[in-house]
Amino acid sequence: QVQLQESGPGLVKPSQTLSLTCTVSGGSISSGGYYWSWIRQHPGKGLEWIGYIYYSGSTYYNPSLKSRVTISVDTSKNQFSLKLSSVTAADTAVYYCARGSYSSSWYVVDYWGQGTLVTVSS
Amino acid sequence: SSELTQDPAVSVALGQTVRITCQGDSLRSYYASWYQQKPGQAPVLVIYGKNNRPSGIPDRFSGSSSGNTASLTITGAQAEDEADYYCNSRDSSGHVVFGGGTKLTVL
Repeated sequence: QVQLQESGPGLVKPSQTLSLTCTVSGGSISSGGYYWSWIRQHPGKGLEWIGYIYYSGSTYYNPSLKSRVTISVDTSKNQFSLKLSSVTAADTAVYYCARGSYSSSWYVVDYWGQGTLVTVSS
Repeated sequence: SSELTQDPAVSVALGQTVRITCQGDSLRSYYASWYQQKPGQAPVLVIYGKNNRPSGIPDRFSGSSSGNTASLTITGAQAEDEADYYCNSRDSSGHVVFGGGTKLTVL
């Protein structure tokens, strides 16, 4: 059973960089075949895809966030990470890490972390 | 990137059938997946592909698609099905998109 766990500061000051790490257990990122995503949910709102990374380091980002987002992977630790720069209050959200399957027909998220609330405030 | 549109809210009487829809141009080329989210919890995958259910998902959940519209059908809705439901898909650029979500109320 694959499990994902987000970790990182729950409070970030405006203009600073939000940094989160997702630790994967029950499966190896380096085995390939899956695309590892970050997804966020503003309070009381819907889901927003931030981006994903393959074990090789290939990334895809949401165009609306691309200028501020970096997703990286550390296969030796079985972790992947999110950095979101120049944050504002609008970046306050629950951040989920997740495992996805990507094909010519779909992108399906089959495992989600529990989510972590990040508040942007001074 | 593409957009997916869902009705904000739908209600169904206990034991009846309800259909939740998701519309978007990307659905003409790619399958939708459906997620159930209860308050304070992470989303759970309930339907993906043509009409596939992950292990543990009751068979009252089913999926279908026609043109630019994907549908999630719950046949014989139960009280525990009350939740928010989200669709998602990919687009031709490899980007991922989620619908705005549908709040299902079971009366």
